Amino acid sequence: DTEVTQTPKHLVMGMTNKKSLKCEQHMGHRAMYWYKQKAKKPPELMFVYSYEKLSINESVPSRFSPECPNSSLLNLHLHALQPEDSALYLCASSQGGGVIYEQYFGPGTRLTVT
Amino acid sequence: AQSVTQLGSHVSVSEGALVLLRCNYSSSVPPYLFWYVQYPNQGLQLLLKYTSAATLVKGINGFEAEFKKSETSFHLTKPSAHMSDAAEYFCAVRSVGGSYIPTFGRGTSLIVHP
Repeated sequence: DTEVTQTPKHLVMGMTNKKSLKCEQHMGHRAMYWYKQKAKKPPELMFVYSYEKLSINESVPSRFSPECPNSSLLNLHLHALQPEDSALYLCASSQGGGVIYEQYFGPGTRLTVT
Repeated sequence: AQSVTQLGSHVSVSEGALVLLRCNYSSSVPPYLFWYVQYPNQGLQLLLKYTSAATLVKGINGFEAEFKKSETSFHLTKPSAHMSDAAEYFCAVRSVGGSYIPTFGRGTSLIVHP
């Protein structure tokens, strides 16, 4: 199984809502990532978890809150988002944090903030 | 520091023609280089990677890339374009001894005409 799954596929939320994005992988990977991608742009790194511990936070606003409950699951909790947060949110995983390990990406969650 | 430059935000080819997508990297240490493809409304999929073994790397869907240290390049080619190759292509670099987080190029949109 070389698949990273993400739910939901689409999400529309108001600026006062609280919602969560979910990412799951069963490849035994120990590094997991959240990226934000705007149309026709490369992915922008948000967070990295390595062995279930947050290792990188790219100065992301606190209205985005990551969580790694176990080695297979990664969540992104959303609260009080702004319209400019509308984007494709991608989850990725890799076998480890070493440079040789490629990342496997999920299909993404298309988020629209109204 | 590591970076990649993808020349040309759009490349247009006819079906059956050669595909050439350019990527130049900058790294003070030996790089690991990756090409990803992203189809509309999907996540990124790894096409191929260079990890300091063979300089000519073959990937999926008939794509290949050649690592040229003297030119600091890792261009992606395919002998004959198919309509299904129309997508966004991203080059990425990770450097030994540097950040294990990949740095993505800005992307090149491949357009295939019938």
